Amino acid sequence: GQNIDQPTEMTATEGAIVQINCTYQTSGFNGLFWYQQHAGEAPTFLSYNVLDGLEEKGRFSSFLSRSKGYSYLLLKELQMKDSASYLCAALDSNYQLIWGAGTKLIIKP
Amino acid sequence: ETGVTQTPRHLVMGMTNKKSLKCEQHLGHNAMYWYKQSAKKPLELMFVYNFKEQTENNSVPSRFSPECPNSSHLFLHLHTLQPEDSALYLCASSQDREGYNEQFFGPGTRLTVL
Repeated sequence: GQNIDQPTEMTATEGAIVQINCTYQTSGFNGLFWYQQHAGEAPTFLSYNVLDGLEEKGRFSSFLSRSKGYSYLLLKELQMKDSASYLCAALDSNYQLIWGAGTKLIIKP
Repeated sequence: ETGVTQTPRHLVMGMTNKKSLKCEQHLGHNAMYWYKQSAKKPLELMFVYNFKEQTENNSVPSRFSPECPNSSHLFLHLHTLQPEDSALYLCASSQDREGYNEQFFGPGTRLTVL
């Protein structure tokens, strides 16, 4: 079956760095997405990786290893507004998004 | 503002009621999606429409009935729901169904079935 695993909850300190991991098992693979979802709001797109390596976008970076079925989202210089759920989703061979349950990130002062 | 709107934002209904959720996208996209989001569970894809044609129905109970009159509008008609149907219902759109298809989400409708 198809599956996405990511931690349920993480806590970090304002100003610090946090890495949210995601492992995936899918029928075929056409890329991996990260979305951010604040409580009571819509998920919003953060990143898309289809090739191995690190993609940097400001304070956020996303990494992909296709051979390991592994990705991570790296958040630097954490701010209180980064408190949210982070959703990992893999695109399978039928271009269907397989979603993880999300990682709730709590930022403490 | 993501360009995808949903109404109502909150809905409380009894098990014998009939109601409809509405989604509208202003992005010129060709594909629209209904998802169910329950606490601590992955997003569940319910229906996909591509160019107004339903392309996927992921074994959703018949008490949920989608309608897509045009590429910009999507409805989810609800009737005789069960308490376990209480969840956040999210609508999304994307440029196309295949390929790199970043999805843009609406704010969702929080549904409570009594």
